[in-house]
Amino acid sequence: DQQVKQNSPSLSVQEGRISILNCDYTNSMFDYFLWYKKYPAEGPTFLISISSIKDKNEDGRFTVFLNKSAKHLSLHIVPSQPGDSAVYFCAAVVTGNQFYFGTGTSLTVIP
Amino acid sequence: ETGVTQTPRHLVMGMTNKKSLKCEQHLGHNAMYWYKQSAKKPLELMFVYNFKEQTENNSVPSRFSPECPNSSHLFLHLHTLQPEDSALYLCASSQNDRGQGKLFFGSGTQLSVL
Repeated sequence: DQQVKQNSPSLSVQEGRISILNCDYTNSMFDYFLWYKKYPAEGPTFLISISSIKDKNEDGRFTVFLNKSAKHLSLHIVPSQPGDSAVYFCAAVVTGNQFYFGTGTSLTVIP
Repeated sequence: ETGVTQTPRHLVMGMTNKKSLKCEQHLGHNAMYWYKQSAKKPLELMFVYNFKEQTENNSVPSRFSPECPNSSHLFLHLHTLQPEDSALYLCASSQNDRGQGKLFFGSGTQLSVL
């Protein structure tokens, strides 16, 4: 049973506009959430995280929003740049080192 | 450069071969992981080592055998694999004593089983 879901396999956005990537989860015991970015032929790299006690975390152009009642997580990228084109994975952590990943969303930013 | 190095980057092997994947982390972390990434599937956790002790083994077939000789090195020994084992194998490390550690991934080994 997949506990973390990314229902959009792909997303295309014009350069300069906002990219919104979504993630849903089922386990209310998750206490920490992360977003990873992956380029082809490379491993995923950490992008941004949020604790379950917060509803927003911002780092430059990247903002993660957490809606615990809806069990929903989103990543906003503003403004989107061509270099942001990659696959984005959301991940959720129970305690310690049990990481659960989604299937990823492939973002294409069109110049 | 994430501080986690995997070799080889690419591997092609027959079903009767024996090979090993190697991972080394230079971050001083206390946990190391093997993940499998197949197309259109979530990253699947295979093995976790905390302080060199294996703490997770998510029903992985015995044809995959991990080895963690010290906290900086991790191996995945492969033997008599099947074509469906073809995937990207990712090593990761983390520091977990603060409760909210991040995973740092290597670049992966793209494995093809013929």
